[in-house]
Amino acid sequence: DQQVKQNSPSLSVQEGRISILNCDYTNSMFDYFLWYKKYPAEGPTFLISISSIKDKNEDGRFTVFLNKSAKHLSLHIVPSQPGDSAVYFCAASAAGSARQLTFGSGTQLTVLP
Amino acid sequence: DVKVTQSSRYLVKRTGEKVFLECVQDMDHENMFWYRQDPGLGLRLIYFSYDVKMKEKGDIPEGYSVSREKKERFSLILESASTNQTSMYLCASTTGGRIYNEQFFGPGTRLTVL
Repeated sequence: DQQVKQNSPSLSVQEGRISILNCDYTNSMFDYFLWYKKYPAEGPTFLISISSIKDKNEDGRFTVFLNKSAKHLSLHIVPSQPGDSAVYFCAASAAGSARQLTFGSGTQLTVLP
Repeated sequence: DVKVTQSSRYLVKRTGEKVFLECVQDMDHENMFWYRQDPGLGLRLIYFSYDVKMKEKGDIPEGYSVSREKKERFSLILESASTNQTSMYLCASTTGGRIYNEQFFGPGTRLTVL
């Protein structure tokens, strides 16, 4: 049973426009959410996070929104750049030993020049 | 600059071989993790460790074991490699004792079992 779901395997966006990546979760014990970006043949790199006490967190071109009642979060990238083309993983964690992360299946973002 | 290194970027092994994947972090992190990444499945947790000589099973521990003899090093062992263990293996680490923290990943090892 997937506790973190990314239902869109891929997304294509024109350069300069907004990219919106979505993520849904089922476990109400999750209280911290992260987005990672992964290029081919590299490890994931941390992008941005949000705790459950907030509904929005912004870092430059990246904003994460959290809707706890809907158990939904989204990552907005504005404006999108070709270098943003990568696989984006949503992850969630709950208080517990080592705070392990549960990852979604990822969304391949392609930003077209 | 934080650093997680993995012993090999690419590895080819035969069915039945014993395989060791090594991971080293230089950030004095308490927690270390092993994941595998497969297309359409995201990252799945195999094992993790929150202290030296401590280990806990993740979501898919079958066919794997781990060793953590030193704080900076976490090894993943495939006792008898099988073709369904062909995958990208990723190691990560993070600090303990904080409520919220991100994991830092190594570059990954692409393992092919023939």
